[in-house]
Amino acid sequence: DAKTTQPNSMESNEEEPVHLPCNHSTISGTDYIHWYRQLPSQGPEYVIHGLTSNVNNRMASLAIAEDRKSSTLILHRATLRDAAVYYCILRDVWNNDMRFGAGTRLTVKP
Amino acid sequence: GAVVSQHPSRVICKSGTSVKIECRSLDFQATTMFWYRQFPKKSLMLMATSNEGSKATYEQGVEKDKFLINHASLTLSTLTVTSAHPEDSSFYICSARGSIGFGLAGGEQYFGPGTRLTVT
Repeated sequence: DAKTTQPNSMESNEEEPVHLPCNHSTISGTDYIHWYRQLPSQGPEYVIHGLTSNVNNRMASLAIAEDRKSSTLILHRATLRDAAVYYCILRDVWNNDMRFGAGTRLTVKP
Repeated sequence: GAVVSQHPSRVICKSGTSVKIECRSLDFQATTMFWYRQFPKKSLMLMATSNEGSKATYEQGVEKDKFLINHASLTLSTLTVTSAHPEDSSFYICSARGSIGFGLAGGEQYFGPGTRLTVT
């Protein structure tokens, strides 16, 4: 799997938008961009994924750069429950496994 | 959405004993299951991948005789930590993937809630 680079940590204020960046300069044409998050002592939770176009769902938005070498996960209004480690993962559509990097630890301040 | 369960959620065992952790896909058939281990403040590390009815494929550095994986049905995989030692204490997480076309594009993976193993 191609490698991703994320900031170790970020802070946000409650009810403000949060933009979590991810760089993936070696992405291939068949790599999907996945975002998961993990709350303390829980398994990872799916957030969103995309291939080329921007994506929106009830949890977040995913903005993908035109060259696909970077993406940004957008939480429109952060809540205290959004405090978690966010993982950006590339996975080839035919590849069998999903490997996690270090992720970004998001802290949300009240 | 698809649900993956793990049992037990927490287990404490004595050094030298074996512990079995179950992973079940509750509402879909998991053609492939994955086992991860996570140490405090660290990311998830893939231990092994198993396809139903086949032997598991272990990642480099993971002892297959110590971490026995059985994927006997499309809804159940088990991880047995044999002769556990304190250094095996960790958070073990399973993940299940349906067949290509199930769920999200690319055969999405769904994660269990994890099992915290403490070896005394």
